[in-house]
Amino acid sequence: SQKIEQNSEALNIQEGKTATLTCNYTNYSPAYLQWYRQDPGRGPVFLLLIRENEKEKRKERLKVTFDTTLKQSLFHITASQPADSATYLCALPPPPGYSNASKIIFGSGTRLSIRP
Amino acid sequence: DGGITQSPKYLFRKEGQNVTLSCEQNLNHDAMYWYRQDPGQGLRLIYYSQIVNDFQKGDIAEGYSVSREKKESFPLTVTSAQKNPTAFYLCASSAETGPTLGRPQHFGDGTRLSIL
Repeated sequence: SQKIEQNSEALNIQEGKTATLTCNYTNYSPAYLQWYRQDPGRGPVFLLLIRENEKEKRKERLKVTFDTTLKQSLFHITASQPADSATYLCALPPPPGYSNASKIIFGSGTRLSIRP
Repeated sequence: DGGITQSPKYLFRKEGQNVTLSCEQNLNHDAMYWYRQDPGQGLRLIYYSQIVNDFQKGDIAEGYSVSREKKESFPLTVTSAQKNPTAFYLCASSAETGPTLGRPQHFGDGTRLSIL
């Protein structure tokens, strides 16, 4: 069955450093992968989508890579700020035959804390 | 501003009681979704609807029911048959219909349901 793993439940880094979050998946090659940000008590907010034919996508201080050989996406926040502290979720479409129901599958998220 | 409104923000259920969570969107999206989020777990799909008067079960539909009488509205009823209803419930919508296109999901700010 499809499995999404996000590295560690929590990641703590110093302000100004680059935060790198990992999303690993198994068993098939998704057509795309999405990243969302979720603040406590709020719904997730879409950040970036990267398609299987794209190696890298950037948006301001955010960069996402998609390595279909390693079956991994990396999410980078450069020049991190305390305001970047949140939980970050990756999401991808289910493989054929996995489930007729799920439109996309979400990882459990990585809680990122940026300390001043 | 366009968006998704969920109400109430907090809800308490008594034993044997059905409760209904509201979800309204003014984004003119065809597709709407209900997810359940438990601590340390990814979002799990309860029900989704791609068009008015039609909806499909998600991965954990047992103990829940929905209706889609209007494009803007997708209420979720948590029935007494749902034995472990305590969770954070998220409603989402997307412009995506038909083949998966990777369009982002837009989320409300959730309803936290607890048992009395």
